[in-house]
Amino acid sequence: EPEVTQTPSHQVTQMGQEVILRCVPISNHLYFYWYRQILGQKVEFLVSFYNNEISEKSEIFDDQFSVERPDGSNFTLKIRSTKLEDSAMYFCASSWTGDSTDTQYFGPGTRLTVL
Amino acid sequence: AQKVTQAQTEISVVEKEDVTLDCVYETRDTTYYLFWYKQPPSGELVFLIRRNSFDEQNEISGRYSWNFQKSTSSFNFTITASQVVDSAVYFCALTGKLIFGQGTTLQVKP
Repeated sequence: EPEVTQTPSHQVTQMGQEVILRCVPISNHLYFYWYRQILGQKVEFLVSFYNNEISEKSEIFDDQFSVERPDGSNFTLKIRSTKLEDSAMYFCASSWTGDSTDTQYFGPGTRLTVL
Repeated sequence: AQKVTQAQTEISVVEKEDVTLDCVYETRDTTYYLFWYKQPPSGELVFLIRRNSFDEQNEISGRYSWNFQKSTSSFNFTITASQVVDSAVYFCALTGKLIFGQGTTLQVKP
């Protein structure tokens, strides 16, 4: 069964460093998403991406964040200058159609630890 | 504003007990979808069910069942004859750029 994959599973970085989190969505899916879950808290929407553009973003997704689809398979989240409060689990998700009510399938997550 | 409330933070049951996880939502949309996801200790989010706002029929899948009541804006999830493997955090979510509830941690003891 097709699945969303994410690498790395765990990333440790120093405050102020740039990190890139990688995701391979399910092939043929058109919509891609990033979510964040701070330890012990709920999952929060960061950004949605369609047709090589951001379609929606939350207040959390400030100028320190950017997303890119550098090729036909990868979808990346970049944090330019990490802060301690960026420590969280980051989930990538993808959905089949452009209908925002479609089911989103999540990857296993990348745990980011900022020291 | 859209909001999902899972009032039960933690539930602990003994194996084989039935357990119901509550979910109450708020939305002004007339068409919307509701979801349940499971997050086991390994951390991934596993899709369980999607239900649209026009379909109020209860759904059963094995030991899992869902009760959607539009009149009370609730979408509750029941696990029948719980098992230790059901131990996880369960999230209810509302359509689109998924709005998640706080999650309910279910612990099933042998």
